[in-house]
Amino acid sequence: DTGVSQNPRHKITKRGQNVTFRCDPISEHNRLYWYRQTLGQGPEFLTYFQNEAQLEKSRLLSDRFSAERPKGSFSTLEIQRTEQGDSAMYLCASSLVRAGAYEQYFGPGTRLTVT
Amino acid sequence: GQQVMQIPQYQHVQEGEDFTTYCNSSTTLSNIQWYKQRPGGHPVFLIQLVKSGEVKKQKRLTFQFGEAKKNSSLHITATQTTDVGTYFCATDAGGTSYGKLTFGQGTILTVHP
Repeated sequence: DTGVSQNPRHKITKRGQNVTFRCDPISEHNRLYWYRQTLGQGPEFLTYFQNEAQLEKSRLLSDRFSAERPKGSFSTLEIQRTEQGDSAMYLCASSLVRAGAYEQYFGPGTRLTVT
Repeated sequence: GQQVMQIPQYQHVQEGEDFTTYCNSSTTLSNIQWYKQRPGGHPVFLIQLVKSGEVKKQKRLTFQFGEAKKNSSLHITATQTTDVGTYFCATDAGGTSYGKLTFGQGTILTVHP
């Protein structure tokens, strides 16, 4: 399978705990995006990387959220001191930045439940 | 930032009927992308529109970008049960914000056999 993969697929945690999610993009893609999706809403942009550089972080993202892409391949998204409002589907997407290329390929997501 | 509003929020149709969802913005958009998300699935890219008045077709799906680049539509002819899902429009501001997508709320399509 050469698509975008995410692990774990589901995570249940207690409020106040830290969680980390992993995303493996399509291998030749240089852009990697993180989105959050809640029920009945479209994906909401969180942050994105080009190679290992983090280009932008949403203003909606609190300091409890951090993302890395250390070698320009896989990425991790960490949420510290989780809150119930963090419960959502966390989606990763990747794309290849080149002329005429714009589609983003989404992974299956990690569903986070904070109890 | 860019914002897009989608209507309707829900659409129930009988198999064989047509379906249209609309995406509107108060500002001029650099582009519009359309994605489909099946129940329990993840968004899948359908198409991107860039030019004013652009029309693109994919089998039974027709995508339009308005002349003023402030609205877009997705029309499905003769729906099938495989068309079930949520259809999202999305846009980015272009330039340095290329790829930073803002999604609409989506239109949930239900097709009754």
